[in-house]
Amino acid sequence: DGGITQSPKYLFRKEGQNVTLSCEQNLNHDAMYWYRQDPGQGLRLIYYSQIVNDFQKGDIAEGYSVSREKKESFPLTVTSAQKNPTAFYLCASTPTGSGANVLTFGAGSRLTVL
Amino acid sequence: AQSVTQLGSHVSVSEGALVLLRCNYSSSVPPYLFWYVQYPNQGLQLLLKYTSAATLVKGINGFEAEFKKSETSFHLTKPSAHMSDAAEYFCAVSDQGTNAGKSTFGDGTTLTVKP
Repeated sequence: DGGITQSPKYLFRKEGQNVTLSCEQNLNHDAMYWYRQDPGQGLRLIYYSQIVNDFQKGDIAEGYSVSREKKESFPLTVTSAQKNPTAFYLCASTPTGSGANVLTFGAGSRLTVL
Repeated sequence: AQSVTQLGSHVSVSEGALVLLRCNYSSSVPPYLFWYVQYPNQGLQLLLKYTSAATLVKGINGFEAEFKKSETSFHLTKPSAHMSDAAEYFCAVSDQGTNAGKSTFGDGTTLTVKP
């Protein structure tokens, strides 16, 4: 079955360390997104990419970086510059065309800073 | 600019009772509206969407929502709650033709179903 795979499911980080969250999709979707979710809040867009080798900042990009070298993959790096990185991170994708307005989500990665 | 307000961060109903989760939006252009459901430690799953066809939209698991332009509302309902409906629900809005990933999400409503 097609879908989005995020790994790891849980991740612990010491302050000052960079960590990379993986997001892989086999849906042949062109666009991919990273969101941050905090308790009691909606999703906030970190970065998005509509095509390979191109990506744009979302609303809260500071302290994060991404790459899009392959259509299937959109990894997110949480850098030491992110002051409050403990959160639940969600990757999503959309196709182009008539179904473009429906997001498909991965199961998420929970990052905890110790 | 778009915004979404979900009235009530927590809603509790008895099994078999009506479920009503409220969502009001603001948008300067005709919107697309969505309801997503999230189970603990999982991603979001689309329940239903409004894309300017019918104002009453039916979704999965017996849920439906009605788009009311005059009230700028898109409330989610289900006639009879089931224990498996316990989850967090998110309303989202995007401009028609806008990249769906740039939708604005509400803060969510946690639904508890009591036996």
